Amino acid sequence: AQKITQTQPGMFVQEKEAVTLDCTYDTSDPSYGLFWYKQPSSGEMIFLIYQGSYDQQNATEGRYSLNFQKARKSANLVISASQLGDSAMYFCAMRDYGNNRLAFGKGNQVVVIP
Amino acid sequence: DVKVTQSSRYLVKRTGEKVFLECVQDMDHENMFWYRQDPGLGLRLIYFSYDVKMKEKGDIPEGYSVSREKKERFSLILESASTNQTSMYLCASSLNIRLAGDSSYEQYFGPGTRLTVT
Repeated sequence: AQKITQTQPGMFVQEKEAVTLDCTYDTSDPSYGLFWYKQPSSGEMIFLIYQGSYDQQNATEGRYSLNFQKARKSANLVISASQLGDSAMYFCAMRDYGNNRLAFGKGNQVVVIP
Repeated sequence: DVKVTQSSRYLVKRTGEKVFLECVQDMDHENMFWYRQDPGLGLRLIYFSYDVKMKEKGDIPEGYSVSREKKERFSLILESASTNQTSMYLCASSLNIRLAGDSSYEQYFGPGTRLTVT
C-alpha cells in the first residue's frame, strides 16, 4: 500500500525567506507521480506541482520547486521568497502509475510572518 | 476555467438524519472522489467513482454510500448521521488516468462542505 509521511510540526517562516516542507513516501511500484497541494484557510485544495518518478529534472513552478531524491524516497517542496499568502496547509500526495487514486499525507502547516 | 462545486459550504444536521452532499463538475471527468478531512489525519478517501453508476470503496466507507446517476454529479449520502461524522468533506474530479495515459493529471477539488452533526 502507498504511504506518504509528513511529520514536521507547524512552521513559522519569515516573509521573503525560503521554506522546505518534507515528504517521504513508500511504494513498490517503479513508476509513480508525486503531487503537492496547498490548502488555505478557505478550505479549497490548490494543485501546486507534479514530479514523475522518471523525470530527470526536479520540477519547478514559479516560486515552487521540488527536491526529488528518488533513492531516499523523498519529495520535499521548496517555497522560495515566502509571501503572507503562502500561509496554508500543504499536502504531499502520490499516485502509482495507472492508478486513479491519490494517497495523501497528513499535511504541513505553514505560517508566514511579516 | 475548471470548476467543481459542492452544494453547501456549511451544514448542520441532527444525529440520525439522512444527509446528502452533492458535488458537480463541469470538466467531463470520468473520475469523481469523496474525501473526509480531519485535523491531524489528512485526507482520507471515502468513495471513488470511475463512471456513471460505478463506484469503489475507499479507505473509510463505513457509514456512507454514494450515487452517480449522471457523469457530472456525485452524491455522498450519510444514511443516519452520527456525531463522529462531523468533519470537512471534499469532493474532487479527474480524468481517468488509465484511459488518458497521463499520470501527471491532477485532481480538481471543490471548496469543501463543513458538516456538523449534533
